[in-house]
Amino acid sequence: QKEVEQDPGPLSVPEGAIVSLNCTYSNSAFQYFMWYRQYSRKGPELLMYTYSSGNKEDGRFTAQVDKSSKYISLFIRDSQPSDSATYLCAMSKGGGSNYKLTFGKGTLLTVNP
Amino acid sequence: GAVVSQHPSWVICKSGTSVKIECRSLDFQATTMFWYRQFPKQSLMLMATSNEGSKATYEQGVEKDKFLINHASLTLSTLTVTSAHPEDSSFYICSAGAQGASSGNTIYFGEGSWLTVV
Repeated sequence: QKEVEQDPGPLSVPEGAIVSLNCTYSNSAFQYFMWYRQYSRKGPELLMYTYSSGNKEDGRFTAQVDKSSKYISLFIRDSQPSDSATYLCAMSKGGGSNYKLTFGKGTLLTVNP
Repeated sequence: GAVVSQHPSWVICKSGTSVKIECRSLDFQATTMFWYRQFPKQSLMLMATSNEGSKATYEQGVEKDKFLINHASLTLSTLTVTSAHPEDSSFYICSAGAQGASSGNTIYFGEGSWLTVV
């Protein structure tokens, strides 16, 4: 079993839809959780960072963490064509910058105008 | 915001030659940098952790003699692919964290370097 599981999609939605992206993990040592957006042939860009169970909102993005179920989600409201990208969940055992990140496989999202 | 720069963005080399990729933190110091490899439609796979002033820590299965990492200063880490072969063709990405950071949101990624070995 992989440490981090993420449905690779692809996921295709109409503009304005609510998008739900999910990851599960097996290692309870993971305490810090991130969502990255990666456009084709570019490096990942950090979208959200959380370390406690619950919800964190930033504009159209909401990150949700359920440590008891080892499940994290990213919700995108009012999705736009510019949101079309691969979304990667990532997690680490520590919050310092020297901790390794373990990534999910990524979900390819297409938002159709 | 903080920026991590990678160079070159694209490189094509002949089989058997060596290629060097640079990763620079432009406005912060990074004691630790990470090198990843990403195949098409795959996730990022950590290759090694680059530590300033000491030897890199390689992940299991990564050949340290083939992928040489040098982190000579707090703003520069280099990855050299030695005796490159076509199977080494991939997207290589580095990341860096600001020194003394205690939160994950200060890990920044470079734009990546596409390597094609012909």
